[in-house]
Amino acid sequence: GAVVSQHPSRVICKSGTSVKIECRSLDFQATTMFWYRQFPKQSLMLMATSNEGSKATYEQGVEKDKFLINHASLTLSTLTVTSAHPEDSSFYICSARATGTGGAYYGYTFGSGTRLTVV
Amino acid sequence: QQQVKQSPQSLIVQKGGISIINCAYENTAFDYFPWYQQFPGKGPALLIAIRPDVSEKKEGRFTISFNKSAKQFSLHIMDSQPGDSATYFCAAVTQGGSEKLVFGKGTKLTVNP
Repeated sequence: GAVVSQHPSRVICKSGTSVKIECRSLDFQATTMFWYRQFPKQSLMLMATSNEGSKATYEQGVEKDKFLINHASLTLSTLTVTSAHPEDSSFYICSARATGTGGAYYGYTFGSGTRLTVV
Repeated sequence: QQQVKQSPQSLIVQKGGISIINCAYENTAFDYFPWYQQFPGKGPALLIAIRPDVSEKKEGRFTISFNKSAKQFSLHIMDSQPGDSATYFCAAVTQGGSEKLVFGKGTKLTVNP
């Protein structure tokens, strides 16, 4: 099956610093990855679509300069929360769509999430 | 505009009972309908998925029923177990389109022993 690895699982940072979250597809290539934010007891909110080798596409209302996305290879996308503030504290989750050999379709696989706490 | 409406918001079922979660969609271009299970502090995990050319799909204790004309689909969990207690999300996507999953708001399922 398709596996997406996300690190770190938890991070605490001071206000004003930057935090990088990594998302890796372990056994498949992902030309497109997705970054979500999830508030407690709520659904997933799509922040941006990360495209390998090109600029990310951000959803309306998401600050591009605050949430920097880099998709430098077919297996790695990173989300950097710049100049983090307490209101950026949230659960961040990445996802990728996997297609196996012979066109086998694995659907969308999610990482395990990153709990960011800004103090 | 919420494109996928999910109900109920929360559900309590006794062990051994049937859990039923319903979703309705508006966009007829959707062609893939997955269900995800999420435990606290974890990312969503794909449970089961269906395409609109099939009316029902069963995998173990989990069944998706799909009604294309009514634009509705539902998840049935048979013989519900305490370990099934989690939040369940339905979703929909147009493959070959934006490829963005549209999620329902989630259902928190509690299965009492």
